[in-house]
Amino acid sequence: DAKTTQPPSMDCAEGRAANLPCNHSTISGNEYVYWYRQIHSQGPQYIIHGLKNNETNEMASLIITEDRKSSTLILPHATLRDTAVYYCIVRVAFTGNQFYFGTGTSLTVIP
Amino acid sequence: EAGVAQSPRYKIIEKRQSVAFWCNPISGHATLYWYQQILGQGPKLLIQFQNNGVVDDSQLPKDRFSAERLKGVDSTLKIQPAKLEDSAVYLCASTPNEGSYEQYFGPGTRLTVT
Repeated sequence: DAKTTQPPSMDCAEGRAANLPCNHSTISGNEYVYWYRQIHSQGPQYIIHGLKNNETNEMASLIITEDRKSSTLILPHATLRDTAVYYCIVRVAFTGNQFYFGTGTSLTVIP
Repeated sequence: EAGVAQSPRYKIIEKRQSVAFWCNPISGHATLYWYQQILGQGPKLLIQFQNNGVVDDSQLPKDRFSAERLKGVDSTLKIQPAKLEDSAVYLCASTPNEGSYEQYFGPGTRLTVT
């Protein structure tokens, strides 16, 4: 599975949009982009995933560039409860391939 | 729907002692994962089960770690003997099948080896 690069930390003001970037320049055609987050002292939680089209659910939006070499997770109105470590993962879908979590981005939402 | 259950939540042992962790996945989930998360790092897969069979244990230190999933439901992870570097959070996750995109994680067991 391809590796990803994320900034180690970011801050965001409460109520503003949080934009978390991820670089996956070596992604292959059958690999999806997944985002998970881990709130302190909890297990990781699935957020969203996508192949090439932009995706949106009740938690977030995922924007994938046309060349698929990078993506951005958007939390439209960040709250204090969104403070967490966010992991960007690429993985071949519908297989038993494991998720490589990396070190993620530590997002702090500031009041 | 009940989530993934793990016990104990915390464990402190001395090096060279043995320890066991227990996981009860979400009912009906065929695939079960054990991860090790060292402080400041992301979770690292130790072993993956599909029902009661091992799919991937390539990153399991087999000289000291063992895991089983009898009857394809509950699972136990054992460390014998423990080393200082085994201090970590041990996370269990489950999915309906191995191709699922969403893994459901338990709260983890925090192990401290002194």
